[in-house]
Amino acid sequence: GAGVSQSPSNKVTEKGKDVELRCDPISGHTALYWYRQSLGQGLEFLIYFQGNSAPDKSGLPSDRFSAERTGGSVSTLTIQRTQQEDSAVYLCASSLSSSGNTGELFFGEGSRLTVL
Amino acid sequence: AQSVAQPEDQVNVAEGNPLTVKCTYSVSGNPYLFWYVQYPNRGLQFLLKYITGDNLVKGSYGFEAEFNKSQTSFHLKKPSALVSDSALYFCAVRDLSGGADGLTFGKGTHLIIQP
Repeated sequence: GAGVSQSPSNKVTEKGKDVELRCDPISGHTALYWYRQSLGQGLEFLIYFQGNSAPDKSGLPSDRFSAERTGGSVSTLTIQRTQQEDSAVYLCASSLSSSGNTGELFFGEGSRLTVL
Repeated sequence: AQSVAQPEDQVNVAEGNPLTVKCTYSVSGNPYLFWYVQYPNRGLQFLLKYITGDNLVKGSYGFEAEFNKSQTSFHLKKPSALVSDSALYFCAVRDLSGGADGLTFGKGTHLIIQP
């Protein structure tokens, strides 16, 4: 598609279960970002991928969170042993190569995670 | 470290009146500044950006923003508000001196335009 695609759009899970969220960036975009949007908290940076470089994981809140990007395209964000405080909208964004990039990001519509 | 502050959780404006959504930033070097808008149940959409040059930048849907270096501000403005402008607005900054490659976002401001 023409835009950033995320799936699932909604996920309800039980506390302690693992979840996987998928992001398919815009074709040709080498930079991919994950953000978390919680009510009243704005957007929290989680992780950033740029081409084949090691990802910037500085925003991941705990070791229960991990992400990978296969073949420089699709990315999966995995949350293990989910907790209620993980409930949020997880937004993926992509952009053209980071170097020299003016920083405009293109966002998907997000995956809303609810942990019961 | 870079940071962004949006001091107002909500701004209410009557349709047809001018609107301002405030943003201040903190960076160690020169900033790239952005405004994004989020409509209900949608992802963020880019509105406008300041990189260099004229302090007044114009963007989508009639919005503009003024970069003020001395006040470290980048307020979003529109001369005449529309009901359809009602949404959640985020200010964001990228530090050109080598900070995080991603953008740092403010907490967002709900803009409500009353008919």
